[in-house]
Formats: sequence, structure tokens, C-alpha cells
Amino acid sequence: QKEVEQDPGPLSVPEGAIVSLNCTYSNSAFQYFMWYRQYSRKGPELLMYTYSSGNKEDGRFTAQVDKSSKYISLFIRDSQPSDSATYLCAMSQVSSYDKVIFGPGTSLSVIP
Amino acid sequence: ETGVTQTPRHLVMGMTNKKSLKCEQHLGHNAMYWYKQSAKKPLELMFVYSLEERVENNSVPSRFSPECPNSSHLFLHLHTLQPEDSALYLCASSQDLIGRFGELFFGEGSRLTVL
Repeated sequence: QKEVEQDPGPLSVPEGAIVSLNCTYSNSAFQYFMWYRQYSRKGPELLMYTYSSGNKEDGRFTAQVDKSSKYISLFIRDSQPSDSATYLCAMSQVSSYDKVIFGPGTSLSVIP
Repeated sequence: ETGVTQTPRHLVMGMTNKKSLKCEQHLGHNAMYWYKQSAKKPLELMFVYSLEERVENNSVPSRFSPECPNSSHLFLHLHTLQPEDSALYLCASSQDLIGRFGELFFGEGSRLTVL
């Protein structure tokens, strides 16, 4: 079983839709959860970061962690064409960057 | 403009060539990383440097050879590569290797094609 699983998509939605991106994981010891956004021909950039369980909101983006289900989500409200990118989830047991495990990414297209 | 600069952005090489990828970070960070990104696969951590010391080598073939001459520069020397090594190679940096969790800063990557 892979440590972190993510539907690769592609996911295509109309502008203004609510988008739900998800990852499942197998290691119950993960405590740090991140979402990175990667535009075409660019490197990933950190979008959201949460520690342990719960929700975190930043503008149109909400990150949700359900440790009991080993499931994390990123919600995008009022999606825009500029949200078109690949979204990578990432997680770690400890606060050490060399232990971060990434998912394969979900490709999202927001159609005007 | 990103604080992590990678050159070249694109590289095509034959299996017998020797080439190098360069990374420079302008953020004053102490840790630098090389990642490999292949289509539909998770980012694979290849090498980690903290304060110019190699911390980790994740069972990477010896045809990849890293070099960190100072805390701002990181190189990946390539020789006798295989076609399956074709991928996007990403350099990243962080303030420190361990500590209050912040973020990894990535460069835009070097797209490598091995013929």
C-alpha cells in the first residue's frame, strides 16, 4: 500500500464551482499536513499547512484533516481559472523536511 | 521571480554525456534538497544538505552526484544516465532542516531528457 494516495485526475470544473481535492494515507503517525500548488512549468509552492486534526481556512481555500479516517481534503470555493494547476498533498511525522512524503498530485482545470 | 533559481531549465543529453544542474537560493536558508518529479509519481527526495553537509542519500544511483560548495549553491552532476532518468529535477530550500515547520521553497525545475 502506498503511503500517500491521491487521485491524479484530471479534474475539470466550471468557473465558480466548489472543488474538493483529497488524499488518503496509511501512516497514522503523520502529524503535519500540507498542500502545495504547482502551475505548469513551475515548481510547487506551499498553499496551506495544518498540524494534527481540524480545519484551516485561508480566503477561498479550506484545508481539512481527519486523522481517524486518515484523510485530508482541500476545498476551493468560487474556483477561478487561475486555480488551474496540479495540487500536491504532503505530510510528515516530524518537523523535519527530509521526512516529508508527497502525494502524486491532482491536476485541476477550471474552465471559464 | 522565485528565491530559488535553477539552470538550465531544459537539458537534453545522450547516455554517455556528462552534465550538471545548478541551483542557487537567495533566501539565506541553511538546508537544500534535490527532488525528482516524474509524471503521475510523487516527488522523490534524492539528496539533502544541511549547513553544507550531506544529510541523506535516498539510495540514489551513483550516476547522480551532488555537490554543495556553500549554503547558497547546490549542484547535481549527471553522467552515464539512462532514459528512465528523464524527469523534472527540482531544487528546494528551507530555513533549517528541523524546527518550527514552515515551508519548502522550490525552484522552477530543470527538465531533463535522456536520449
